[in-house]
Amino acid sequence: EVVMTQSPDTLSVSPGERVTLSCRASHSVSRNLAWYQQRPGQTPRLLIYGASTRATNIPGRFSGSGSGTEFTLTITSLQSEDFAVYFCQQYDDWPPRFTFGQGTRLEMK
Amino acid sequence: QLQLVESGGGVVHPGGSLRLSCAASHFAFSEHPMHWVRQTPDRGLEWVAVTSFDGVNKYYRDSVKGRFTISRDNSNNILYLQMSNLRPEDTAIYYCASALWKQVLDAFEIWGQGTVVTVSS
Repeated sequence: EVVMTQSPDTLSVSPGERVTLSCRASHSVSRNLAWYQQRPGQTPRLLIYGASTRATNIPGRFSGSGSGTEFTLTITSLQSEDFAVYFCQQYDDWPPRFTFGQGTRLEMK
Repeated sequence: QLQLVESGGGVVHPGGSLRLSCAASHFAFSEHPMHWVRQTPDRGLEWVAVTSFDGVNKYYRDSVKGRFTISRDNSNNILYLQMSNLRPEDTAIYYCASALWKQVLDAFEIWGQGTVVTVSS
């Protein structure tokens, strides 16, 4: 099983700041990596797939990069609605054994 | 509006059974692989099972193999998860989710609102 590890667990930031979240895979997952946002009390929402492609209706301040085992999600100019938990997920393993990172919580400083 | 609505959660004793349903509307349900994912505060998000678009191919996480069965009714746009021999560690919010495109190995685009399963004596 591919283990996904995110860092940091929690990030305290202010609105308007730029943040970078990290995700590491225990084995290469090529670019088969997605990022999700989960606001309090809501279900996960797909932000990024294919490591760097924004999903439908996702604002341009979200961007993803990386390949293999190292990935990042960058949010420029944080908005109030961006304070949430972010998960990475690999979908490369066969037979299918999709795995998620433990999440990074963005909290307001 | 693309929508998935789960139902069927509840409280069950260890060893008991439940069947979850996920009703899809306003998207091409029969063209997409469908997943069940669960979430707990301790273990986070865990993928549970996936079925191919036609229901022929099915895959499960190791801890539910032989106990859970995923199935789909493409005529009525419904996804199911039959859960038996339930254990306390199966307690979670269960979400259904659709694959982004048409392959099993893909991101999860649309998520339901979740249904809560509690396994307790």
